Amino acid sequence: GENVGLHLPTLSVQEGDNSIINCAYSNSASDYFIWYKQESGKGPQFIIDIRSNMDKRQGQRVTVLLNKTVKHLSLQIAATQPGDSAVYFCAENYPGRRALTFGSGTRLQVQP
Amino acid sequence: GAVVSQHPSRVICKSGTSVKIECRSLDFQATTMFWYRQFPKKSLMLMATSNEGSKATYEQGVEKDKFLINHASLTLSTLTVTSAHPEDSSFYICSAKVGGTLNEKLFFGSGTQLSVL
Repeated sequence: GENVGLHLPTLSVQEGDNSIINCAYSNSASDYFIWYKQESGKGPQFIIDIRSNMDKRQGQRVTVLLNKTVKHLSLQIAATQPGDSAVYFCAENYPGRRALTFGSGTRLQVQP
Repeated sequence: GAVVSQHPSRVICKSGTSVKIECRSLDFQATTMFWYRQFPKKSLMLMATSNEGSKATYEQGVEKDKFLINHASLTLSTLTVTSAHPEDSSFYICSAKVGGTLNEKLFFGSGTQLSVL
């Protein structure tokens, strides 16, 4: 399953399918990006990061893709599991900014 | 990853009282910590940057006298919500920066749900 931009804040997928969560970031000068996972009532958990000199980075079951031309970031989760159900935030940082700026988030619901 | 401990996880208080929230880096030293506020189903809003040994830097619109931040050591930052009112009810989250400029990561505490009656 895939969501497009921030107009679909909830993404529902079947267990075992691949998920793609998208994020449009705001600042063309941003050089560092992170994806976080937040479960209900908990703090965000680091998933994966990528610097602007890369366009792809892979982790365990997750891949982050960066398209600087259109200021777009995506998180791909392979073989989505019920435990992946959470809200996912992208965050960006740019030179001179002392803290991360968070996107509005996407809720991922995994149907068993 | 690095561990950031935040306490309490939940607090209920009467209007007019002050509430202190602690944020500790357990296995690393954090010269910089951040405090965020999050409303239900919303994203994280940066409130302030806590710098060890110096005054916190507040974001525009955040009342310094309302949200007191103290970063007295390299492992502890505290946020005190003074004279809390129901509109201060929210989820507060701290985070600490690990690493140098080129490889820094941000790790979060588990958050504090504040409910002001």
